[in-house]
Amino acid sequence: EVQVLESGGGLVQPGGSLRLSCVASGFTFRNYAMTWVRQAPGKGLEWVSVISNNGGSTYYADSVKGRFTISRDNSKNTLYLQMNSLRVEDTAVYYCANFPRSGLAGLYFDNWGQGTLVTVSS
Amino acid sequence: QSVLTQPPSVSAAPGQKVTISCSGSTSNIGNYFVSWYQQLPGTAPKLLIYDNNKRPSGIPDRFSGSKSGTSATLGITGLQTGDEADYYCGTWDSSLSAYVFGTGTKVTIL
Repeated sequence: EVQVLESGGGLVQPGGSLRLSCVASGFTFRNYAMTWVRQAPGKGLEWVSVISNNGGSTYYADSVKGRFTISRDNSKNTLYLQMNSLRVEDTAVYYCANFPRSGLAGLYFDNWGQGTLVTVSS
Repeated sequence: QSVLTQPPSVSAAPGQKVTISCSGSTSNIGNYFVSWYQQLPGTAPKLLIYDNNKRPSGIPDRFSGSKSGTSATLGITGLQTGDEADYYCGTWDSSLSAYVFGTGTKVTIL
């Protein structure tokens, strides 16, 4: 069974940092691109970042560029999101999801985790 | 403000059909595949349609997708109470070098 499980969320003060993790199982992680998507309370989906299967290509939403870094460790089947200089508006449930192709052409998000809540507040 | 526009809500009775539009531009829908996602209340999103009109295994053929020019459409036939959810379109945008989601549409079963 394909599973992706996020962790690392919590309460952090504005300006603080947090690292999210997403552990994958049930599929060949190194062959899949991976992404982070977030959803603020009561709001719609917002794409955050994507990384190709080998980590060679990464893209970010303008709202997080320069503050967030996506990375992966294929030996650990794990995706990461390092979040720095956090703002109140970064408060959201963060989901990871996979894309069953090695490159990023035709991007879509197949299997989603249940999400981890990040709250940025003083 | 999303670059993909969806109607905020649509509604219909059980057994009826609804369509949800997703309007974009040549920098996104016009040149890239569209996918659709269903989000039931309190749950994670779920992939319904990818590559404009393909259904993942396990998605019933009551759900269909199409694309024409800079717009895409999700159709749901034989509406069931379990279809009450938020629906989002998504695609790549070359001007933003980013993936973009639509504004979302709430489907209500009357």
